[in-house]
Formats: sequence, C-alpha cells, structure tokens
Amino acid sequence: DAGITQSPRHKVTETGTPVTLRCHQTENHRYMYWYRQDPGHGLRLIHYSYGVKDTDKGEVSDGYSVSRSKTEDFLLTLESATSSQTSVYFCAISVDRGEETQYFGPGTRLLVL
Amino acid sequence: KQEVTQIPAALSVPEGENLVLNCSFTDSAIYNLQWFRQDPGKGLTSLLLIQSSQREQTSGRLNASLDKSSGRSTLYIAASQPGDSATYLCAGVDDYKLSFGAGTTVTVRA
Repeated sequence: DAGITQSPRHKVTETGTPVTLRCHQTENHRYMYWYRQDPGHGLRLIHYSYGVKDTDKGEVSDGYSVSRSKTEDFLLTLESATSSQTSVYFCAISVDRGEETQYFGPGTRLLVL
Repeated sequence: KQEVTQIPAALSVPEGENLVLNCSFTDSAIYNLQWFRQDPGKGLTSLLLIQSSQREQTSGRLNASLDKSSGRSTLYIAASQPGDSATYLCAGVDDYKLSFGAGTTVTVRA
C-alpha cells in the first residue's frame, strides 16, 4: 500500500467552526488531491496540488482552501464548516498528472452538526 | 465535462460465477481509465489502469477492456469469490482529473 495517512480519521464539529484535515505521504509523489465522497454524487475533486505551494481548484472547491508547504503534507481547510460539508474526505497522490494511477488514503469522516 | 456511468448499481451472484461490470464515459479523449475497489468504510484500492493506447489490462482473475470509440470499459472478474464482494468504481482520467462513476456494488454469495 502507498504510504498515505489522513488525520483525523473521524471528526464531529459544529456549524461555523474552522476545520483542518491533514494528508501525509511518504512516497515523495508530486501530485496530491482532495476528494469528497457523498451518496448520489460519487467522488468529486475539491482541490489538487502539483508541487509545493502550487495548488488549483477542482470541481467542488467553494468553501474549501488548501495549502502545501512541504512535499509530504497537503492540508484541507473548511474555513467555516456547514452541514453540507458533512462527507467522507479522501486524499490521493500520484507520480504524474494522468499516466499513472492515483493512490488513495483511508479517508476522514466529517460530521458537521 | 466527463460523465461516467456504471450499470448496474448493484449485482448479486453465486460464488464461482464470472462477473461483468460495465462503465461508460462521454468524452473519448481520456488519458486512461482506472478501476478501483472500495470496501465498506475504507479507501479506494487501485485494481487496473488502462492507458488510452491500450485495449485491455489483466491482473490475475481481473481483466479490463477499453473501447474509446464507443466510450466503454468492462471489468471481468473470473470465478468470483465471497472476498470479491465490494463496490467497484471506474474513473476516466482527463489530464490530471479523475471523473468517477457511482460504482457497482457486488455481492458474491457463498
């Protein structure tokens, strides 16, 4: 298995509070991604990074921000959590931008009350 | 925007039967097509990746085909086992971005 960890694995928070999810990799892969998985919507890309300090928006980026100060860490921040952001969040990594597979982390279950 | 569809949404078969899972996509200009497995409450495990220049890929009991002209990919699992019970997801890769189907949930009955 690719060396990807996510923390926390489970979190319950209240509407309006900031939340930061962390993805850590030990593979030294250049590309990192954040997805959310919801029933009826499947997996959707939130943000991705193509290098340290290089990030871009995905399909559902509103309400989320990201940062990547080191190759191994990619942070996803919900500035002010809403109930619609209750979801399972997955981090993924890849060597390049399309020719090789993406490897996924174990996920973080977030409940916003 | 790439749209990926997987039919059926769920499938139940007796042990030993071959499984055929279908995936269709709207944009034939894909880099590659990936198949993943997801167990309940777990992350995704990559099964097979088919490059756009390839027609199929095989790994053990798994074989995946890709027909870009018709916008279809098929995952075959030979001689199914109860351990194959999971949700199978396909994803079309357009540059860096994966567009996922909703998945097919497979139950293999012992």
